[in-house]
Amino acid sequence: DIQMTQSPSSLSGSEGDRVTITCRSSQHITRYLNWYQHKLGKAPKLLIYSASTLQSGVPPRFSGSGYGTDFTLTISSLQPEDSAIYYCQQSYNFPWTFGQGTKVEIK
Amino acid sequence: QVQLQESGPRLVKPWETLSLTCTVSNGSISSSSYFWGWIRQPPGQGLEWLADISFSGTTYYNPSLKSRLTISIDTSKSQFSLTLTSVIATDTAVYYCARRIANWNYFDPWGQGTLVTVSS
Repeated sequence: DIQMTQSPSSLSGSEGDRVTITCRSSQHITRYLNWYQHKLGKAPKLLIYSASTLQSGVPPRFSGSGYGTDFTLTISSLQPEDSAIYYCQQSYNFPWTFGQGTKVEIK
Repeated sequence: QVQLQESGPRLVKPWETLSLTCTVSNGSISSSSYFWGWIRQPPGQGLEWLADISFSGTTYYNPSLKSRLTISIDTSKSQFSLTLTSVIATDTAVYYCARRIANWNYFDPWGQGTLVTVSS
């Protein structure tokens, strides 16, 4: 299985801050990397697919980059509604696997 | 837009079978562009993909659970289902159904999720 490792496991930022989450895969996965936002009690929401493509309706303050084994999710200007857990997911090989999550809190 | 909703028992006894159904609305389940899948999240833990199925019935399973899992689809009802046999306490989790988009293989949308507790 491809292991996905996210860092940090949690972060706290002020409104307007730029924050970055990193995801590393144990194998080369080209651009088969997706990001989700998960708020407590709600369905996970797709933010970005194929490493950098913004899902329709997602605010442009979210962006993704990376190729191969190293990927990042950036929130350019943190908003109160961005408080959530963020997961990366590799979609290169079965079984699909997720990172352990990064909890983002607003100060 | 398409919506997914999980249904099924919230409490299952140890060593019995967990059965869940996902109903797809506002969209077609019979498209070669999509697969239909199940993902779970145990309390305080991360997400674990369980299984996917195509509209024609082609199945994909997580090898770690394959011996206990069965996924099926009923296109006439716009539903797909999951069974997990011989459940134990560590199978307690929120179970989500989701649509997987072919080619890039991302999940969108997801259902709200249903908490299934394994307990006597």
